[in-house]
Amino acid sequence: NAGVTQTPKFRVLKTGQSMTLLCAQDMNHEYMYWYRQDPGMGLRLIHYSVGEGTTAKGEVPDGYNVSRLKKQNFLLGLESAAPSQTSVYFCASSYRSGSSYEQYFGPGTRLTVT
Amino acid sequence: AQSVTQLDSHVSVSEGTPVLLRCNYSSSYSPSLFWYVQHPNKGLQLLLKYTSAATLVKGINGFEAEFKKSETSFHLTKPSAHMSDSAEYFCVVSRLRGTSGTYKYIFGTGTRLKVLA
Repeated sequence: NAGVTQTPKFRVLKTGQSMTLLCAQDMNHEYMYWYRQDPGMGLRLIHYSVGEGTTAKGEVPDGYNVSRLKKQNFLLGLESAAPSQTSVYFCASSYRSGSSYEQYFGPGTRLTVT
Repeated sequence: AQSVTQLDSHVSVSEGTPVLLRCNYSSSYSPSLFWYVQHPNKGLQLLLKYTSAATLVKGINGFEAEFKKSETSFHLTKPSAHMSDSAEYFCVVSRLRGTSGTYKYIFGTGTRLKVLA
């Protein structure tokens, strides 16, 4: 099993450009999440999905959109990139949502917006 | 409300000496708590979790953590540090998301552990 994979690993964008980050999981997990990691701030939740065809906002959703057309994939889109979106983005998945269910993380995508 | 505080942003120890990474949480009920490790340029990997069973939890790579309700703490320890333990460690508490019935992770700000030769 590959677990959680992310594409691409690195990307540099100019302000105003758009891009899509792809997350895929092969564990048949219902829940998927997108986080961003910034120095000294831990991870913050951008959007999440509780199942195929559903999405919901997390703590820092502004400037991002997501889609979950297939159970195994969760896409994160930036329509008009801004320097404030320079960050490392992590995708995660969990079998269900419960207090004891752990999340499994991908390797991350390092995005720089100039 | 629930939150989690990692008391040290950086910890340095010598190889072979004990490791202590401190985490305090605030919770209105018995929480689930996790420790994750992140090696440089890698994703997060689960070290261990507490889910209201045994208060002393053993994890991978010789790490363990003790849930102390009276102190609202969940400190991570290891008896003897290895160079390969150099990484960033995150304490995480799981809490209900509003009235949705779903849970979310609340992350601490991380502790960067450096093991010196």
